[in-house]
Amino acid sequence: KAGVTQTPRYLIKTRGQQVTLSCSPISGHRSVSWYQQTPGQGLQFLFEYFSETQRNKGNFPGRFSGRQFSNSRSEMNVSTLELGDSALYLCASSPSPNEKLFFGSGTQLSVL
Amino acid sequence: AQSVSQHNHHVILSEAASLELGCNYSYGGTVNLFWYVQYPGQHLQLLLKYFSGDPLVKGIKGFEAEFIKSKFSFNLRKPSVQWSDTAEYFCAVNKGGSQGNLIFGKGTKLSVKP
Repeated sequence: KAGVTQTPRYLIKTRGQQVTLSCSPISGHRSVSWYQQTPGQGLQFLFEYFSETQRNKGNFPGRFSGRQFSNSRSEMNVSTLELGDSALYLCASSPSPNEKLFFGSGTQLSVL
Repeated sequence: AQSVSQHNHHVILSEAASLELGCNYSYGGTVNLFWYVQYPGQHLQLLLKYFSGDPLVKGIKGFEAEFIKSKFSFNLRKPSVQWSDTAEYFCAVNKGGSQGNLIFGKGTKLSVKP
């Protein structure tokens, strides 16, 4: 079974631009969560989706948004990028919200 | 606000030494507790979890953790570490229900010298 797939693996953007990151969960998994990982703040929860509905949202500004499609694939979008948005963005999936998470390798975003 | 504290940023041990990594959380209600591990070059993966019942939980690769409610702690232990245990270890907590909404500690890097 293929694992959680995140694309792209690396991304370089400039301040003010927007970016869309993609996550394909493990086949059969309907729950997707997103986390931001930085050296200073560690892992911080962004969103959780299940069956196309956002169940939980972390404490991030409105520039961070996400969605989940009917095939369970998820995207997150960051608008008006700031230098501080440079981070590793991790996606995790599970069959349902109450089950174990499986993490992807992440998308490394650099904002210049 | 809820938070998770991991006391040690970097721990260096020799093989066969005993390991204890500290984790404290700051939430007074019902919590679920987790330890995740990230081996070099690999994905973050679940090591063990506590939801309820026996406060001593056993995970993969000989790890165990003890939930002490009065101390708001969930320390990770292993009696004898191996070089292959070199990794970063993350403690996490949530308020119950979904496992997707976790508050993580900042992690402890464990280096095991052969």
